Amino acid sequence: AQSVTQLDSQVPVFEEAPVELRCNYSSSVSVYLFWYVQYPNQGLQLLLKYLSGSTLVKGINGFEAEFNKSQTSFHLRKPSVHISDTAEYFCAVKWTSYDKVIFGPGTSLSVIP
Amino acid sequence: KAGVTQTPRYLIKTRGQQVTLSCSPISGHRSVSWYQQTPGQGLQFLFEYFSETQRNKGNFPGRFSGRQFSNSRSEMNVSTLELGDSALYLCASSPTIIQGNDEKLFFGSGTQLSVL
Repeated sequence: AQSVTQLDSQVPVFEEAPVELRCNYSSSVSVYLFWYVQYPNQGLQLLLKYLSGSTLVKGINGFEAEFNKSQTSFHLRKPSVHISDTAEYFCAVKWTSYDKVIFGPGTSLSVIP
Repeated sequence: KAGVTQTPRYLIKTRGQQVTLSCSPISGHRSVSWYQQTPGQGLQFLFEYFSETQRNKGNFPGRFSGRQFSNSRSEMNVSTLELGDSALYLCASSPTIIQGNDEKLFFGSGTQLSVL
């Protein structure tokens, strides 16, 4: 069965430090990959997505992610975090033969001043 | 364009009751998906509707049901509520379920359901 794993449930990081949030999924069959962010008391917003083409995708707020097909991973990175980046981050995968988007359990990013 | 609207924002019910949640998608969007969000579990897929038809269903008991109307608005119903049904229920819409560059879910702010 398809699954999405986010190994880190909580990631504390100091302001202006780099951060990487990890995401792995269960199958290397054709997929679309997404990262969503959820700020407190809000719904989810799309940060970035990979559909095809370059494996390095850039999103909003300075985030980027790299698709690695052999490792079935789509890790999210930011070179320098800001207090306003404190939020819950969700990795999501849609297998193109299967019209359902599966979300990972989320990673809570806390930026420490 | 107005975003995805979910009503009510908060609900408090007791065990055994039933509840109906409403979702109005972005105008022109025909696909509506429902997710249950709980701490530690992330988002669990409930079901997806497209043009009034349920296209996909997650692994939830039959107490969870939904429907979509001709104007794409969707409702989700939970009968015989249990304590474990307490969660944030999120609705998401998208233009179409056909794959393409518009692939993206637009989320509402959710309905926070508390079962006492």
